[in-house]
Amino acid sequence: DTGVSQDPRHKITKRGQNVTFRCDPISEHNRLYWYRQTLGQGPEFLTYFQNEAQLEKSRLLSDRFSAERPKGSFSTLEIQRTEQGDSAMYLCASSSRAPATNEKLFFGSGTQLSVL
Amino acid sequence: DAKTTQPPSMDCAEGRAANLPCNHSTISGNEYVYWYRQIHSQGPQYIIHGLKNNETNEMASLIITEDRKSSTLILPHATLRDTAVYYCINPQYGNKLVFGAGTILRVKS
Repeated sequence: DTGVSQDPRHKITKRGQNVTFRCDPISEHNRLYWYRQTLGQGPEFLTYFQNEAQLEKSRLLSDRFSAERPKGSFSTLEIQRTEQGDSAMYLCASSSRAPATNEKLFFGSGTQLSVL
Repeated sequence: DAKTTQPPSMDCAEGRAANLPCNHSTISGNEYVYWYRQIHSQGPQYIIHGLKNNETNEMASLIITEDRKSSTLILPHATLRDTAVYYCINPQYGNKLVFGAGTILRVKS
């Protein structure tokens, strides 16, 4: 169990640029989640996958955001035309079952995005 | 929206027990209560969860009231490294965890 890995750890970009983050979940986990966290707030749910299928998307996930999990393993989160309001920590988590079924989520260390 | 209520902050002396309360009055009979914590600049870390019975692991104890409308997370001997934000979560909607603002626990020497 190597844990959930996220890359990069930090990203600084200029407004209007596109950015892409990667998440590698724990290998046997079929569920993968993306969250966003701004300073002083709890993590906010963005989307989740079961295998390669994206099953739920938050209204926070505007059309500038897209997430993929092409082979049911790693996932990418892309933000197009970044805005200063996109500055946040982007967290990835994985699990083998839904949280309501007696299952815990494992989180990565996150990618801290700063949009200048 | 989060379905739990926690105090915004608490202080605890190092070496003493930290007791963090949580209200989850809308919890249903088959829903779990989870506790996670987040140390500065890290992702949330699972601590413990329970359904009806009290639970204990190497990190903490979870006491759930008989009516299941509230619970208390107990860190028996708090250390400075336990300073973090603690989240109590009732995943009513099954497929995801919904985080509230949590409780900022400050352990002081």
